[in-house]
Amino acid sequence: SYELTQPPSVSVSPGQTANLPCSGDTVGSKYVYWYRQKPGQSPALVIYHDTKRPSGIPERFSGSNSGNTATLTITESQAVDEADYYCQAWDSTTAVFGGGTKLTVL
Amino acid sequence: EVQLLESGGGLVQPGGSLRLSCAASGFSITNYWMHWVRQIPGKGLEWVSRIRSDGSSTNYADFVKGRFSISRDNAKNTLYLQMNSLRAEDSAIYYCAKFNGNYDGFDIWGQGTRVSVSS
Repeated sequence: SYELTQPPSVSVSPGQTANLPCSGDTVGSKYVYWYRQKPGQSPALVIYHDTKRPSGIPERFSGSNSGNTATLTITESQAVDEADYYCQAWDSTTAVFGGGTKLTVL
Repeated sequence: EVQLLESGGGLVQPGGSLRLSCAASGFSITNYWMHWVRQIPGKGLEWVSRIRSDGSSTNYADFVKGRFSISRDNAKNTLYLQMNSLRAEDSAIYYCAKFNGNYDGFDIWGQGTRVSVSS
């Protein structure tokens, strides 16, 4: 079965850029989606089709996907960005999630 | 307000059954694929199942095949998950999610309902 791998945690200083990787075998040939989950809340879509932002998501959020790695990039990181971030792709009819990365802004 | 509201979770013994419901408000589920995703508290997300807008097609994760059944009642604007032969490892928060065909992603999530399987 297909797997997506994310580092358990990433730390970034306020105002700096956070890069959250998501690796998988030829993930660049698939569309990747990113979800943000704040403590006690449900997940929320922040990136779809590798690079696109749903309405309401700030331009600070961007994505890329090539080869074996997709990346969520958050520029000008803020305390409000602290959350768990999950990548997701489709393996045929099955949605596959990465294990999630906890982003700490400090 | 557009929202999904799950219900039906609770404590059940191993081998038991539960039926989860997910009621939509503020929009009609009629035109959308709907999904169930679960999360063990403190752990990651795990896709469980999906059902086509008209109910004619369903898919399941391997770990629930033959035990769980997804269904929907578009007239009641409600999604269901019948869970049988429950195991301790099925203990999790179960979310229903609306699939947005433009985004190809899950754009609306419920608040989740907790299922605990224990003797």
